[in-house]
Amino acid sequence: SQKIEQNSEALNIQEGKTATLTCNYTNYSPAYLQWYRQDPGRGPVFLLLIRENEKEKRKERLKVTFDTTLKQSLFHITASQPADSATYLCARANDYKLSFGAGTTVTVRA
Amino acid sequence: DGGITQSPKYLFRKEGQNVTLSCEQNLNHDAMYWYRQDPGQGLRLIYYSQIVNDFQKGDIAEGYSVSREKKESFPLTVTSAQKNPTAFYLCASSIAGQRTDTQYFGPGTRLTVL
Repeated sequence: SQKIEQNSEALNIQEGKTATLTCNYTNYSPAYLQWYRQDPGRGPVFLLLIRENEKEKRKERLKVTFDTTLKQSLFHITASQPADSATYLCARANDYKLSFGAGTTVTVRA
Repeated sequence: DGGITQSPKYLFRKEGQNVTLSCEQNLNHDAMYWYRQDPGQGLRLIYYSQIVNDFQKGDIAEGYSVSREKKESFPLTVTSAQKNPTAFYLCASSIAGQRTDTQYFGPGTRLTVL
């Protein structure tokens, strides 16, 4: 079966630092990986999509990389702010479905 | 405003009762999805529908049923056969259910079975 794993349940960082989250997948490389943000008690919100032939994608202070050799995607939040505190989910696209990781909860301390 | 609505936000039911969760979207999306989220776990797909009058089982469909009679509506029934129904339920939609499509999520319904 194809799995997707986010290997850190929680990440606590100081405001202004860079948060780096990891998403690992098994078996064959997904053509696309998506990243979502979820605040407590709310539905996830889409952030970024990266294709397997794209090494890097950026959106404002967010950066996502895709390494098909390592079977891994990294998600970076630069110059982090307390408002970035949330759970971040990665998801791989399988046919017409998304398979989500368990998420990494980021807490940014002021 | 365009978006997805789920109702109610909180739902309490007695064990053994069926309950239906509402999901409506006005985004004109073809595809709709139901997920279940438990603490410390990722979203798990219950059912999905790529077009009206058609739907497929996801990874954990047992004890659940759906219908897709209208494009904008995709209600989920949690039946008494579902062994552990207490969870946070999320509905989502996407334009056409393609792999590159992003999913738009509703606010969720928290179901507690007493």
